[in-house]
Amino acid sequence: DAGVTQSPTHLIKTRGQQVTLRCSPKSGHDTVSWYQQALGQGPQFIFQYYEEEERQRGNFPDRFSGHQFPNYSSELNVNALLLGDSALYLCASSLGGLDEQFFGPGTRLTVL
Amino acid sequence: AQSVSQHNHHVILSEAASLELGCNYSYGGTVNLFWYVQYPGQHLQLLLKYFSGDPLVKGIKGFEAEFIKSKFSFNLRKPSVQWSDTAEYFCAVIDNQAGTALIFGKGTTLSVSS
Repeated sequence: DAGVTQSPTHLIKTRGQQVTLRCSPKSGHDTVSWYQQALGQGPQFIFQYYEEEERQRGNFPDRFSGHQFPNYSSELNVNALLLGDSALYLCASSLGGLDEQFFGPGTRLTVL
Repeated sequence: AQSVSQHNHHVILSEAASLELGCNYSYGGTVNLFWYVQYPGQHLQLLLKYFSGDPLVKGIKGFEAEFIKSKFSFNLRKPSVQWSDTAEYFCAVIDNQAGTALIFGKGTTLSVSS
């Protein structure tokens, strides 16, 4: 059983560009959450998707948007990239929302 | 908003020493509590979780944690650490009144020397 997978592994962009990160949840999971982990910090919640709707959103600007597809996979889009967006972006999946979240390996985004 | 504090940024221990990592969340209500671990080069994995019931929970690899509601604390313990426990440890909470987001602490780096 594959766990949570994310693509790409690494990404380098320049300021002002746009990026799309992808996540496939663990088999049987219906909820996908996205987190940003800056160097030396704990993960920060960006948003969560359930039944193709954004169920909850953290304190991130509208430049961060997402989508969930009928097969429960998800995308995170970031527009108008800033240097400060450089971080590890983690996807986590769960069944419903309150139980254990399983994390993927992350996508390392570097903005130059 | 709910927040999580982890008291130790970096802990250095010798093998066989006992471990206790502190974790406090900011206010009460119904919470689900978690400890996650990130070994070097690996992704976040769940060590243990508390939802309700016995406040002393046991997790994988000999770790345990105690939920003390009156102190808003969920400290992680292990009686005897091994070199392989070297990792980053994160305490996290879901505040059931606020939704289903995991709120993480900043993490504690544990270095165990053999």
